[in-house]
Amino acid sequence: KAGVTQTPRYLIKTRGQQVTLSCSPISGHRSVSWYQQTPGQGLQFLFEYFSETQRNKGNFPGRFSGRQFSNSRSEMNVSTLELGDSALYLCASSVSGASQETQYFGPGTRLLVL
Amino acid sequence: ILNVEQSPQSLHVQEGDSTNFTCSFPSSNFYALHWYRWETAKSPEALFVMTLNGDEKKKGRISATLNTKEGYSYLYIKGSQPEDSATYLCAFRTGGGGNKLTFGTGTQLKVEL
Repeated sequence: KAGVTQTPRYLIKTRGQQVTLSCSPISGHRSVSWYQQTPGQGLQFLFEYFSETQRNKGNFPGRFSGRQFSNSRSEMNVSTLELGDSALYLCASSVSGASQETQYFGPGTRLLVL
Repeated sequence: ILNVEQSPQSLHVQEGDSTNFTCSFPSSNFYALHWYRWETAKSPEALFVMTLNGDEKKKGRISATLNTKEGYSYLYIKGSQPEDSATYLCAFRTGGGGNKLTFGTGTQLKVEL
């Protein structure tokens, strides 16, 4: 079974631009979560989607948004990029997001904002 | 604000040593505790999901215990090998709907020959 895939793997943008990252979950998984890791910080929860609906949201500004499609693939968008948005963005999938389920992570997209 | 703390921050051991790390989390509204191993340039790899007080899980040379009443979990590695070198993360799942993990900052393990 293929794992979680993320595209692109690396991205360079300039301040003020916007960016869209993509995540394809494991087949059969309907819950997709997004996390951000910046230097010196742990993984910070951005949001979770289940059945095309945002079910939970972390403490990030409205510039960070996401969506999920009917095939469970998810995208996250960051508008008006700031230098501090430079980070590794990881997505994780699980079957339904139940508490006892393992979440499987993708390899991440590393975003550099200049 | 939930606070998940891991100690030590980093650890250097010799091949063959046994070692353990600690994860501390809030003891209220507990749903699950996850452990991950994260090697450089790879995806975080799930090790354990623990849900019950007193849970003990084992995977090869790695094992973990859980105490939800006092809010801590231990991860043990027996006979460390160089391939165990990685960052070990714990993550706390609370109730309230949705699937949100609150991660600690990890313990970085380096196993030397």
